[in-house]
Amino acid sequence: SAVISQKPSRDICQRGTSLTIQCQVDSQVTMMFWYRQQPGQSLTLIATANQGSEATYESGFVIDKFPISRPNLTFSTLTVSNMSPEDSSIYLCSVFKGSGYEQYFGPGTRLTVT
Amino acid sequence: GQQLNQSPQSMFIQEGEDVSMNCTSSSIFNTWLWYKQDPGEGPVLLIALYKAGELTSNGRLTAQFGITRKDSFLNISASIPSDVGIYFCAGSRSGNTPLVFGKGTRLSVIA
Repeated sequence: SAVISQKPSRDICQRGTSLTIQCQVDSQVTMMFWYRQQPGQSLTLIATANQGSEATYESGFVIDKFPISRPNLTFSTLTVSNMSPEDSSIYLCSVFKGSGYEQYFGPGTRLTVT
Repeated sequence: GQQLNQSPQSMFIQEGEDVSMNCTSSSIFNTWLWYKQDPGEGPVLLIALYKAGELTSNGRLTAQFGITRKDSFLNISASIPSDVGIYFCAGSRSGNTPLVFGKGTRLSVIA
C-alpha cells in the first residue's frame, strides 16, 4: 500500500479566497490524482497530475479554478481558487501502487466555504 | 463521468447478520475493487479482483468478479458495529487509469 498525507485536514474559508491543499506520498509515484467528494456523494475525479507535465483535467474542471502543481514524484498541490459555497467538499489525493490497478487514497481535506 | 450502479443505496442491519451489496455496469471492466470509507477518512481498499469469476476473501469480507465482467458483489458475514461506513465499488479498464466509482452503499449496524 501507500502512505499518503494531506494538509490541511480541514479548513473553513471565506467565499472569494483560495486554499492550497498539499499531498505527500511516502514513495515515488508517476501519477497522482485529485478527487472531489461532495457531501453524501461519491468520488469525482478532478485531474491527473504527472510530474514534469501539465495536469490533465476532467470534463467540468478547469485549470484556472483548480490549478495543480507536481514539483516532484512524491508531492502535489491542488488549489481551489475564488471559492464559493458550492466548493464545500472533501478533496482527496490518490496514487497507484502495486499492480497499477490498486488506487490508494489520502485522508482527505474537508473544506467548508462560508 | 461514468459511474457504476451500486445497490442498495443504504442498509440497516442487526449486528451478526450477513450483508450483500452489488455493483453493475453497462460496459466491461478488467478490474473491480471494493473500498470502505469511515466518516472523516479517505476510502480504504478492501479487496481487488483481477479475473472474471474470481472469488476473493479478506477476513469476513468476500467479493466476486462477475463472469460477464460487468458486475461484482461484496458480502460481509456476521456484521459487527465497526463495519459501519460507506462501501464503494470501483472499476478499472486498464492499468494506471483512474478508477470509476459507484455511488456507495451506506451501512448501519444496529447492536
